[in-house]
Formats: sequence, C-alpha cells, structure tokens
Amino acid sequence: DSGVTQTPKHLITATGQRVTLRCSPRSGDLSVYWYQQSLDQGLQFLIHYYNGEERAKGNILERFSAQQFPDLHSELNLSSLELGDSALYFCASSAREPGAFGQGTRLTVV
Amino acid sequence: GQQLNQSPQSMFIQEGEDVSMNCTSSSIFNTWLWYKQDPGEGPVLLIALYKAGELTSNGRLTAQFGITRKDSFLNISASIPSDVGIYFCAGQPYTGTASKLTFGTGTRLQVTL
Repeated sequence: DSGVTQTPKHLITATGQRVTLRCSPRSGDLSVYWYQQSLDQGLQFLIHYYNGEERAKGNILERFSAQQFPDLHSELNLSSLELGDSALYFCASSAREPGAFGQGTRLTVV
Repeated sequence: GQQLNQSPQSMFIQEGEDVSMNCTSSSIFNTWLWYKQDPGEGPVLLIALYKAGELTSNGRLTAQFGITRKDSFLNISASIPSDVGIYFCAGQPYTGTASKLTFGTGTRLQVTL
C-alpha cells in the first residue's frame, strides 16, 4: 500500500461528459502530481500541486483542470470528454521524487 | 510527449536467470529513477540515482547511472516469478523537479518457471 488513495478505480462515461477524479496524498506529503498513462503515449505528466498551489503544468489539455484543497487532497476535472481521453490516470505524492503512486483511475470514454 | 527509449521492450526469462535492461535519452538527466508497475497498480519506485557513475542496489536489483548522464541500466539477479511486471525508467533534469520527469517506454518482464 503506497498510502496514496485514488477514487474511483473505474469510470465509464460518454463523450462530451465531465468527470472528477480524486486523490488523497500520503500522510505528510504536500505535493500531488497527476499523470496520464495511455498505451501510445506512456506515462505523461499533467500537473503538479504543492500545498494548494499549482507548481507546474505538463501536457495537460485546456479541457482538464485540477486543484488541491486545504486538506491536501486533489481533484482532476476532465470535461468535454473525447474517446482519446480514455486512459489510466495516476496521482503521486512525494516529499522528493514521486515515489508513491495511487492505484489509478481507469477512465473509459464511450 | 517525450519518452525515453527502453530496451528490450519485453523479455521472457527463466526463473533464476539474471535480467538486464537499459534506458537511453537524447538529453542529459541529473536524476534517474526506476519503477515497477504490476497489473492494475500504480508504479512503485525501486531505485533512485543521483550521481553520474553511481551504482545502487536494492536487494536483487542493481541500477547504474551512466557516465554520459544520458543512460541508465537496471539488473535483476536470480529472477523469481514475482519479478513479473513492467519496469519503467524515468529521468529528471534536476533532483526535485518531478514535474519534468520523463518516463521510458517500459520493459515488460515475464518469467517462466
């Protein structure tokens, strides 16, 4: 158990819809990183939050947004979903390197 | 997005054999990380390397930070069935810049008894 909790584990939704993925970091970690894992692109960094503030953005689409709340949990919002958004979405927390990943949310857009 | 080149892409080995895989980049990195991902799980950090030429072990796993800073190697000795999974390398331009972490394409390891 990495200590990082992600919900839900699976999500099936239709194109055009909006979903919210949730991540609770490991106790004591202030950073939350979001990654997307797809078959063709591998693991890609999306966004990093540290103690409630956005620190860095990677290959994150404008249709996606995230936030980190005062209790340090984070939510990744995906809107106007397309078939190509189907992927595994992971969050990771760390004090240094992203060593603790959650189990991921498998998003299927139909 | 950018990905690091890992080889081999997949490998079948017999239990007890040693395994070697490597990761190469066109860019210089100052931190190399190795992860293992089991089916249905998130990646788990195995080894972190912070200095060119560094050789670090974690049980039966040994990883090396290449002298050129553009490559890294992972060896698994005396493989066992639970070594099955996908191994990813990842590089960071500087330690602590996890937002700039670039992952490799992965090496799928399968062990036959």
